Amino acid sequence: AQSVTQLDSQVPVFEEAPVELRCNYSSSVSVYLFWYVQYPNQGLQLLLKYLSGSTLVKGINGFEAEFNKSQTSFHLRKPSVHISDTAEYFCAVSILKAAGNKLTFGGGTRVLVKP
Amino acid sequence: NAGVMQNPRHLVRRRGQEARLRCSPMKGHSHVYWYRQLPEEGLKFMVYLQKENIIDESGMPKERFSAEFPKEGPSILRIQQVVRGDSAAYFCASSRQGNTIYFGEGSWLTVV
Repeated sequence: AQSVTQLDSQVPVFEEAPVELRCNYSSSVSVYLFWYVQYPNQGLQLLLKYLSGSTLVKGINGFEAEFNKSQTSFHLRKPSVHISDTAEYFCAVSILKAAGNKLTFGGGTRVLVKP
Repeated sequence: NAGVMQNPRHLVRRRGQEARLRCSPMKGHSHVYWYRQLPEEGLKFMVYLQKENIIDESGMPKERFSAEFPKEGPSILRIQQVVRGDSAAYFCASSRQGNTIYFGEGSWLTVV
């Protein structure tokens, strides 16, 4: 079975400051990795994904994430946040070659951007 | 996630009533997934369906919950005899085989 741990449940950050959201996973097989964002009372929007290739993945809204296989991590970063980045962020994994694309989510990290 | 349509967006049910949540996948997607998000928690997988087949229901509660994805029409998640603990956001997602899944806007169920 897979598991995903998001080490920070809440991250307050000032506008224009950098932010890093930590994600670690556990799996006995190779996985795909994803970051989703959820704005209040809305669904999940895909920020970025790692399937293979370059370990540095760039996504929408200026976010990027780096896959580190030895540390089983997939931390999300943004060099300068905006008020509009206030949202909840979810890290997720799915198993390669499994039937369908079932995702296992972390508990989420709530980002509050302060002016 | 623009193409995955869920309705209703908000549903209020009294204890003991039935709740039916509908999901129309994106065009060309034959795989549907249902997830549940309890208050202050992450999303938990419930069930994965393809047309007319349940592929993986390992996350579904053993009683009162059922899901279908008929040959024609939307996928339906049905909760019978709802209890307060069923209050949650229910998200549908869809994909093509082996591809990224896209989420709908969610259905918020409140049991009073």
